[in-house]
Amino acid sequence: DIVMTQSPDFLAVSLGERATINCKSSQSLLYSSDNKNYVAWYQQKPGQPPKLLIYWAFTRESGVPDRFSGSGSGADFTLTISSLQAEDVAVYSCQQYYSTPYTFGQGTKLEMK
Amino acid sequence: QVQLQESGPGLVKPSETLSLTCSVSGGSVTSGSSFWSWIRQPPEKGLEWIGFVSYSGSTHYNPSLRSRVTISLATSMNQVSLRLSSVTAADTAVYYCARQYCSGGDCYPIFEYWGQGTLVTVSS
Repeated sequence: DIVMTQSPDFLAVSLGERATINCKSSQSLLYSSDNKNYVAWYQQKPGQPPKLLIYWAFTRESGVPDRFSGSGSGADFTLTISSLQAEDVAVYSCQQYYSTPYTFGQGTKLEMK
Repeated sequence: QVQLQESGPGLVKPSETLSLTCSVSGGSVTSGSSFWSWIRQPPEKGLEWIGFVSYSGSTHYNPSLRSRVTISLATSMNQVSLRLSSVTAADTAVYYCARQYCSGGDCYPIFEYWGQGTLVTVSS
């Protein structure tokens, strides 16, 4: 199985500041045939299901604010929130869909400082 | 807009079979190129993909659960079902159904639509 490891586990950021969450996979998620990275990011608020934010490592889902961005390639990926808003407090998880079983990171809890 | 809603018993005894249903509205479970997954999340832990069923009924399961899991379509009810046998306390989790992202006729295990989830506790 591909292991997805996020860092940090907990992150506290001030309103309006940048938040950066990292995700490292145990093998490359770059598929050579289409040159795409098979990684997605989700946001989960308490008592709610995960919400898709980013796929193909950097493609924003429709309706997701542009302060959310994804970057990286191969085995190292980053989710960045450029200017933290109060409604961004949540748990963020990465997921690989390069191969089955599809696996998720352990989650990063983002709080307001 | 596709909407999903999970339902089923909230309490299951050890060694018994967990059975859940995902009711789908705003789209057919048999519409071309639709794939439906079950995903679970134990309390205070990360997400675990259980498996999927396609619009045609083909399935693919997580090897860690393959011997105990069955996912199927109930087409007349427009539902997706999950059965997990021989449950233990380790199967206590919130269970979600989700529809995978499709574009241009291709579908990928990117979970675009989710149900609200249902908590299943395994306890005697």
